[in-house]
Amino acid sequence: EIVMTQSPATLSVSPGERATLSCRASQSVSSNLAWYQQKPGQAPRLLIYGASTRATGIPARFSGSGSGTEFTLTISSLQSEDFAVYYCQQYNNWPPNFGQGTRLEIK
Amino acid sequence: QVQLVQSGAEVKKPGASVKVSCKASGYTFTSYGISWVRQAPGQGLEWMGWISAYNGNTNYAQKLQGRVTMTTDTSTSTAYMELRSLRSDDTAVYYCARSRTPFNWNSHFDYWGQGTLVTVSS
Repeated sequence: EIVMTQSPATLSVSPGERATLSCRASQSVSSNLAWYQQKPGQAPRLLIYGASTRATGIPARFSGSGSGTEFTLTISSLQSEDFAVYYCQQYNNWPPNFGQGTRLEIK
Repeated sequence: QVQLVQSGAEVKKPGASVKVSCKASGYTFTSYGISWVRQAPGQGLEWMGWISAYNGNTNYAQKLQGRVTMTTDTSTSTAYMELRSLRSDDTAVYYCARSRTPFNWNSHFDYWGQGTLVTVSS
């Protein structure tokens, strides 16, 4: 099973600043990588798939990059509604699985 | 609009079974798959398995093999997940999520149900 490692576990950023979240796979997952946002008491929401394609309705301030084993989610100018937990997910190798999450909190 | 609406919270005793439903609307049900993902309290996301709404093919996480069964009813556009021999560590929120392909498990999940809390306690 591929191990997905997200860093940092918690990221403190001020509104309006840029946030950079990382996800590393223990072996190549090509570009079969998705990012999700989860707020307390809510289901996850798809942000990015194919490593860099924004899902329907996702604002342009969210961008994804990377391939192989190293991936990045960047939020260019944080809004209040962006503070949440973010998960990466690989779907290249069975079983599809998630990283442990990065909590993005207000600084 | 695409919606996945799940059944309500359940409380079960250890050893019992639970069956959670997920009713889809706003899209052609048989053109996609459904995956099930669970989240224990305060923990991350765990993929449980996938079912094709096109032909009923399934693929389950190894740790749940033998205890989980996923089915669909195409006449009502509803997916079901049954988990048997419940243990306390099965306490979690269970989500259904739409998979982009009906042919295999390897997909991201573009729409999610609201979640169903299953509590296992004596």
